[in-house]
Amino acid sequence: SAVISQKPSRDICQRGTSLTIQCQVDSQVTMMFWYRQQPGQSLTLIATANQGSEATYESGFVIDKFPISRPNLTFSTLTVSNMSPEDSSIYLCSVETVRGETRDFGAGTRLSVL
Amino acid sequence: GESVGLHLPTLSVQEGDNSIINCAYSNSASDYFIWYKQESGKGPQFIIDIRSNMDKRQGQRVTVLLNKTVKHLSLQIAATQPGDSAVYFCAENYNYGQNFVFGPGTRLSVLP
Repeated sequence: SAVISQKPSRDICQRGTSLTIQCQVDSQVTMMFWYRQQPGQSLTLIATANQGSEATYESGFVIDKFPISRPNLTFSTLTVSNMSPEDSSIYLCSVETVRGETRDFGAGTRLSVL
Repeated sequence: GESVGLHLPTLSVQEGDNSIINCAYSNSASDYFIWYKQESGKGPQFIIDIRSNMDKRQGQRVTVLLNKTVKHLSLQIAATQPGDSAVYFCAENYNYGQNFVFGPGTRLSVLP
């Protein structure tokens, strides 16, 4: 399975600020995915990021709030903008496996917004 | 370690016993299902998968059962060990879509 590194692993941020989360994969992948896992909740897909094109956002998520970059086939960033306490969650980077069906996940970024 | 989900349903099992974790999925057209294990402080890890043309699949110490009639999926863990303590999620997918829909999760707690 792919080795996925996320930075930072956790952060505590002030309301109104922004945080950029980095995701580095040890192999080239076509699609990268960003998920949110709110406290006591399951995983929800935020967006799909393809290299060279704009990210595709799921219902309820918008680019202004969660801008995504995908500069190459091994790296992506997710920014959580103008944060509020409701943004406190675990944010997970994910990639397709070699089989193309399942997903590998990073360890996540644990964000707390005060 | 940090809890993934503070209010998840919890299943407590004695070490050595078998565990059964259940999941009701939402889309009758879903044709691919995965069970993930998420330990504290980590991302979800793939355990086992099953396609809708099967009703049972076995792995090492794990078995997944699929009942399409009632849209139900279960994960059986044989001889549960302390290392099995985690949150378990089912996920469903349709026609190789990009969005896996994850179930609410169950916390498995293995008692010594």
